[in-house]
Amino acid sequence: ETGVTQTPRHLVMGMTNKKSLKCEQHLGHNAMYWYKQSAKKPLELMFVYSLEERVENNSVPSRFSPECPNSSHLFLHLHTLQPEDSALYLCASSPGLAGGADEQYFGPGTRLTVT
Amino acid sequence: GQNIDQPTEMTATEGAIVQINCTYQTSGFNGLFWYQQHAGEAPTFLSYNVLDGLEEKGRFSSFLSRSKGYSYLLLKELQMKDSASYLCAVRDGDYKLSFGAGTTVTVRA
Repeated sequence: ETGVTQTPRHLVMGMTNKKSLKCEQHLGHNAMYWYKQSAKKPLELMFVYSLEERVENNSVPSRFSPECPNSSHLFLHLHTLQPEDSALYLCASSPGLAGGADEQYFGPGTRLTVT
Repeated sequence: GQNIDQPTEMTATEGAIVQINCTYQTSGFNGLFWYQQHAGEAPTFLSYNVLDGLEEKGRFSSFLSRSKGYSYLLLKELQMKDSASYLCAVRDGDYKLSFGAGTTVTVRA
């Protein structure tokens, strides 16, 4: 495996279900991110982790709960979601948080549908 | 916060040139990125500008004017595989990226 992988690629869940999204990066990076991408809207930053510590929580509802057990893995735990939470959830990683020319590398996303 | 504007859609012919404009308002500018995203796939990095001027990378070039809050991505010698969404993103501070809604480019034969 190379780059950033995400599982599952597609997920349909009811509003009372609990599910988790998984992201894994094989790039040796120290920072990981969750974004939400809704149709025709800009990517919205949800959470940022650096060396397994959360450094950004962008006013995200508590029904989304992130977990970063190590610098290679990132999870997004979902419970009691709403239909408006249906979107593409993208994971990204970067070497660190130092800026410069370091770009973020994105995974292919999980297409989530809440019924 | 950020306010990033780019056109919603553009159409061009194979072999032609297309210019995608991006304007932004930011409280703390620290670089501008362009990403390409094919339908159902991950965004992939195209270019980075932090100083004024033109950065050229093969068929793709990106320009930045910080005083005008303006950038463009120029795609030359268009190919069918260039049909995709192009995302303009501005970095505020060390790591926080704010994205535009994306420009969908359709290349026609």
